[in-house]
Amino acid sequence: DQQVKQNSPSLSVQEGRISILNCDYTNSMFDYFLWYKKYPAEGPTFLISISSIKDKNEDGRFTVFLNKSAKHLSLHIVPSQPGDSAVYFCAASAQGNKLVFGAGTILRVKS
Amino acid sequence: EPEVTQTPSHQVTQMGQEVILRCVPISNHLYFYWYRQILGQKVEFLVSFYNNEISEKSEIFDDQFSVERPDGSNFTLKIRSTKLEDSAMYFCAIKRTVDYEQYFGPGTRLTVT
Repeated sequence: DQQVKQNSPSLSVQEGRISILNCDYTNSMFDYFLWYKKYPAEGPTFLISISSIKDKNEDGRFTVFLNKSAKHLSLHIVPSQPGDSAVYFCAASAQGNKLVFGAGTILRVKS
Repeated sequence: EPEVTQTPSHQVTQMGQEVILRCVPISNHLYFYWYRQILGQKVEFLVSFYNNEISEKSEIFDDQFSVERPDGSNFTLKIRSTKLEDSAMYFCAIKRTVDYEQYFGPGTRLTVT
């Protein structure tokens, strides 16, 4: 089941710079997209979301962009901080039902 | 952000034994979910529960699995006869009626030996 794909297993960024995490999806029925952050041995923590009727949503240092025609979304973190180091999951939902997750991207922010 | 607790944090069991994993939402929510993550794999949906009924389940959620809200607050996942491949992190998630965001508990690590 590859409905949600995160093609970059890992990303390394210098503190203060921008982190860009990418996600692609194939199912046109998805109408809501979410990003979660996860530390080892903890549950996913909700970060930010976006509805399919929007193309951008911003919350502090976090911005999510959605390109529906390309079936692509991205999470921008500016500026990146060492505490942002974690696994980031993209997830998608159709009509508020189950979440379908990507494989995750490990973000390392170097100080 | 709504809070969810899960017990136990770690459960070790022998193959063929029954296990019950518990989820306790801090406040009232109508939508409950169970997901699992096998080591090195994606987080996978198991089942959703709404208005005291299963609303959707995945292919993974076979007859060995069941869910219930025995006392109106706790939300449990039971695996009747565990297999080695059931070893995973199991996450409970909750959702408010009007939202799309799901909030996850800390998880239960299930180890089947």
